[in-house]
Amino acid sequence: QQQVKQSPQSLIVQKGGISIINCAYENTAFDYFPWYQQFPGKGPALLIAIRPDVSEKKEGRFTISFNKSAKQFSLHIMDSQPGDSATYFCAASLAVGNEKLTFGTGTRLTIIP
Amino acid sequence: NAGVTQTPKFQVLKTGQSMTLQCAQDMNHNSMYWYRQDPGMGLRLIYYSASEGTTDKGEVPNGYNVSRLNKREFSLRLESAAPSQTSVYFCASSSRPRANYGYTFGSGTRLTVV
Repeated sequence: QQQVKQSPQSLIVQKGGISIINCAYENTAFDYFPWYQQFPGKGPALLIAIRPDVSEKKEGRFTISFNKSAKQFSLHIMDSQPGDSATYFCAASLAVGNEKLTFGTGTRLTIIP
Repeated sequence: NAGVTQTPKFQVLKTGQSMTLQCAQDMNHNSMYWYRQDPGMGLRLIYYSASEGTTDKGEVPNGYNVSRLNKREFSLRLESAAPSQTSVYFCASSSRPRANYGYTFGSGTRLTVV
């Protein structure tokens, strides 16, 4: 069963624009929500992460927005650049005991000039 | 530092053949994981090892076995490969106690079963 739903599957954004990727989760016991970035031929790499005690976290051009009541979180990439073209995965893990990450299905982001 | 090293990078198998995917990490991480990545399905956990000497099934364990040889190495074995196991396989590691330390992934093994 899909515990973390991610959309869209693919996204094309013009250079300088804002890229937005959304995720929704079902299990209210999840308490850690990271985003991973993957370039072709490489493994995913941790980009940014958030805990549910804050509604937003910003690192440079990357921002996570978190809505606990709606069980949704999103990644915003400001001033998107061609180098941001990659596949992005959201993920979630439980608070206690089981620390495994459950990943979304991924979003292929393409930034066009 | 090499991080997480996976071998081989590419492999073609015939249906019914067996093979072992190797993974080693040099970060002294306790936990290790095997994921498969398929188009439109994201990363799905096959098996994981929370610590040396322990292994547990993930979301899609059927057709696979694992061995946590020591703290550094975690191998994935396909006993009788099937076309449905055509995928890109990623090994990852993390330090305890929480996933919020981040996973470090290897660069993957692209496996084709014909």
